[in-house]
Amino acid sequence: KNEVEQSPQNLTAQEGEFITINCSYSVGISALHWLQQHPGGGIVSLFMLSSGKKKHGRLIATINIQEKHSSLHITASHPRDSAVYICAVSEETSGSRLTFGEGTQLTVNP
Amino acid sequence: GAVVSQHPSRVICKSGTSVKIECRSLDFQATTMFWYRQFPKKSLMLMATSNEGSKATYEQGVEKDKFLINHASLTLSTLTVTSAHPEDSSFYICSARDPEGGFVFETQYFGPGTRLLVL
Repeated sequence: KNEVEQSPQNLTAQEGEFITINCSYSVGISALHWLQQHPGGGIVSLFMLSSGKKKHGRLIATINIQEKHSSLHITASHPRDSAVYICAVSEETSGSRLTFGEGTQLTVNP
Repeated sequence: GAVVSQHPSRVICKSGTSVKIECRSLDFQATTMFWYRQFPKKSLMLMATSNEGSKATYEQGVEKDKFLINHASLTLSTLTVTSAHPEDSSFYICSARDPEGGFVFETQYFGPGTRLLVL
């Protein structure tokens, strides 16, 4: 069992739909990251959070420390949101090292 | 925001040659850099942690003599794939930790990646 699990693995949506990607983890963490990887490979850090909720534009990330669960929401999705979204955690015992989920491939169709 | 660059972005080489990949933090000093490998449709796999001025810490199963890491300055780490073989073909990504970036241990910035193809 992976320490970080994401669902779904693949997600196809129509433009404008509200999208949710989930991440569950089984270890104690100091922070959780949501990353976006575009087809060319470049990775962008979207959020880093350790509690509560963060919002940036159409993106919202929430985390429930007690339940060891985080969600990434995209409102009013757009084809340019198509990418792989990766959840990663900084474990309490490993300092800066990140443990990654398998990623969620999102495709938003026009 | 902080920027991390990698060079080259893409390299094709013959089997048996060595390839050097550079990772630079452009506007901050990175005491720690990380090297990852990513296979198609798979998540990132940590290869090693590169600490400025000291030896890199390799993950289990990663050959240190095969993947040489040098972190000679606070803004540059290099990964050299020695005697590359086709199975080394992969996407290599570095990240750098910005100790001044807020969460002391957590702020990491990723490079754009280097795609290596060994023929």
